[in-house]
Amino acid sequence: DVQLVESGGGLVKAGGSLRLSCAASGFTFSVYSMNWVRQVPGRGLEWVASISSSGNYIFYGNSVKGRFTISRDNAKNSLFLQMASLRADDTAVYFCARELYYDSRGYSAFDIWGHGTVVTVSS
Amino acid sequence: DIQMTQSPSSLSASVGDRVTITCRASQRIGVFLNWYQQKPGKAPSLLIYGASSLQNGVPSRFSGSGSGTDFTLTISSLQPEDFATYYCQQSSSTPDTFGQGTKLEIK
Repeated sequence: DVQLVESGGGLVKAGGSLRLSCAASGFTFSVYSMNWVRQVPGRGLEWVASISSSGNYIFYGNSVKGRFTISRDNAKNSLFLQMASLRADDTAVYFCARELYYDSRGYSAFDIWGHGTVVTVSS
Repeated sequence: DIQMTQSPSSLSASVGDRVTITCRASQRIGVFLNWYQQKPGKAPSLLIYGASSLQNGVPSRFSGSGSGTDFTLTISSLQPEDFATYYCQQSSSTPDTFGQGTKLEIK
């Protein structure tokens, strides 16, 4: 089965750091761009970061730029999010999501999502 | 950043009803628009990509339309399992942005 499983969430104090992981299985991880998306409980979805299949292209949302680092290990079918200088408003469920490009026109969507891992930042 | 605005924010409907949710982009995005369904405690699930293409395995009662700045998601005949929150997302330019969500509740 195609699957993404996040881990590494937990309770951390403001200013602290945390590293999230996402283990992929059931598909060729190395050919897909990957993303992190977060959701404050009871609120909407916020895209956090993306990384291309090779790791050469990386983008961040404005709210995390300079504090979070996305990376991947294609040999281990794993995606990571290193979070530093955490703030109370980083408290959320963090999802990893596979990005599928449907055709040459560039249409893409997040077709596979993990179940999420909870990050709580205490102030 | 491109802002995505959904309406309504919540909606009450009955099984068998036809329901339409709208999504408006703050600038033109062609058809780089996706729709997701999310049930409580679960991850979002892709319904529609490219504004109108049905993701594999999604029932045909779901359909999407629109281009430019205005888009719609239609459910032709609501089923009990369709009561959930729906999000639009633009993938035209980075950062990808989502609408605030539309919560579809049972009347």
